[in-house]
Amino acid sequence: DAGVIQSPRHEVTEMGQEVTLRCKPISGHNSLFWYRQTMMRGLELLIYFNNNVPIDDSGMPEDRFSAKMPNASFSTLKIQPSEPRDSAVYFCASNPFVGGNYGYTFGSGTRLTVV
Amino acid sequence: DQQVKQNSPSLSVQEGRISILNCDYTNSMFDYFLWYKKYPAEGPTFLISISSIKDKNEDGRFTVFLNKSAKHLSLHIVPSQPGDSAVYFCAALNIQGAQKLVFGQGTRLTINP
Repeated sequence: DAGVIQSPRHEVTEMGQEVTLRCKPISGHNSLFWYRQTMMRGLELLIYFNNNVPIDDSGMPEDRFSAKMPNASFSTLKIQPSEPRDSAVYFCASNPFVGGNYGYTFGSGTRLTVV
Repeated sequence: DQQVKQNSPSLSVQEGRISILNCDYTNSMFDYFLWYKKYPAEGPTFLISISSIKDKNEDGRFTVFLNKSAKHLSLHIVPSQPGDSAVYFCAALNIQGAQKLVFGQGTRLTINP
């Protein structure tokens, strides 16, 4: 398996522009998570899906952030409009939550820089 | 509200010695704990875990200890090797609840030759 695949690896955009981050989870994993890593707060959960349905979006910082999972193999995280304080590394992770396996498999992340 | 805390942003240890990374949590509903390791430009990777019914779990050079009364866990690495230099994240979840991992801020471990 290729693991969790995220694109792009790096994104540099100007303030006010729309940014879309993409994620392909591991096949068969029914839960998908979006995290953001910052120096101050470490890894923060933004939103997670179970069977393509958003379960908890309480971590989404503002209405500028939105996430979708149209099918079991694809998810997007969109920021519109983007701001410099959104600069961070965004990770996607997936998990099957079967057989007592509670650890997530993470993608390599997207480093977002908003200038 | 930081439910999982790693109070040491960084730790430096000599090669061959023991590395001890600490983690505290506040939510008594957490019943499963994990440690992740992260290299630069990579995603976190699972290292070791422990259920709240245990107080110790060992896997090779890595041992995790859990003190439920103190709401504290620690990761011991013995002996420490240069390849262990990375950021280590502590995480916790409630298996019967939302099953979402709550992470600490991370500790950067540097192993000096």
